[in-house]
Amino acid sequence: DAKTTQPNSMESNEEEPVHLPCNHSTISGTDYIHWYRQLPSQGPEYVIHGLTSNVNNRMASLAIAEDRKSSTLILHRATLRDAAVYYCILRGHQGGSEKLVFGKGTKLTVNP
Amino acid sequence: ETGVTQTPRHLVMGMTNKKSLKCEQHLGHNAMYWYKQSAKKPLELMFVYNFKEQTENNSVPSRFSPECPNSSHLFLHLHTLQPEDSALYLCASSQGVTNSYEQYFGPGTRLTVT
Repeated sequence: DAKTTQPNSMESNEEEPVHLPCNHSTISGTDYIHWYRQLPSQGPEYVIHGLTSNVNNRMASLAIAEDRKSSTLILHRATLRDAAVYYCILRGHQGGSEKLVFGKGTKLTVNP
Repeated sequence: ETGVTQTPRHLVMGMTNKKSLKCEQHLGHNAMYWYKQSAKKPLELMFVYNFKEQTENNSVPSRFSPECPNSSHLFLHLHTLQPEDSALYLCASSQGVTNSYEQYFGPGTRLTVT
């Protein structure tokens, strides 16, 4: 499976933007970039996903580098509720690589 | 509320018991999944069902037995478990299994094996 690299932890202040980076230098042309988050004592929650173009939804924005070797999840105004572990996952096209394979993710702390 | 419900939310069972975990999705999805999350470890995929057919068994011991009677319901039957099977068991569903579909997770069942 193509791998991703994320910082173990990041810290932000409430009401400020947060940029969560993810490196995926071995990404292939058909891999989608998915982001999930997991709040304490809850199941993972889908955040956003994309292939080549930047994506926006009500939760976040996903900025994908032109060469697709890195991406950034952007939370425009962090709230205390955004404190969670954020997972960046590559999903391949076939042969079992469509699986969601969770790594360790980035633990985001939001300070009031 | 993700549209995926799991019962029970907490379960304590002895090693000789038989119990079942239930998952139901109200999203009209065709694929359902079981994951295991042990303490301090990443989520691990256990089983995948697509249109009620099992398409993936990720080398799960036979003491875990899944059942998918229809696209909305998924069960995980448990028997003669070990203490190391204590974990959070998560169910998820998606419209399809290909890489463009997102998955929606239930809240999980916290299982303790004594």
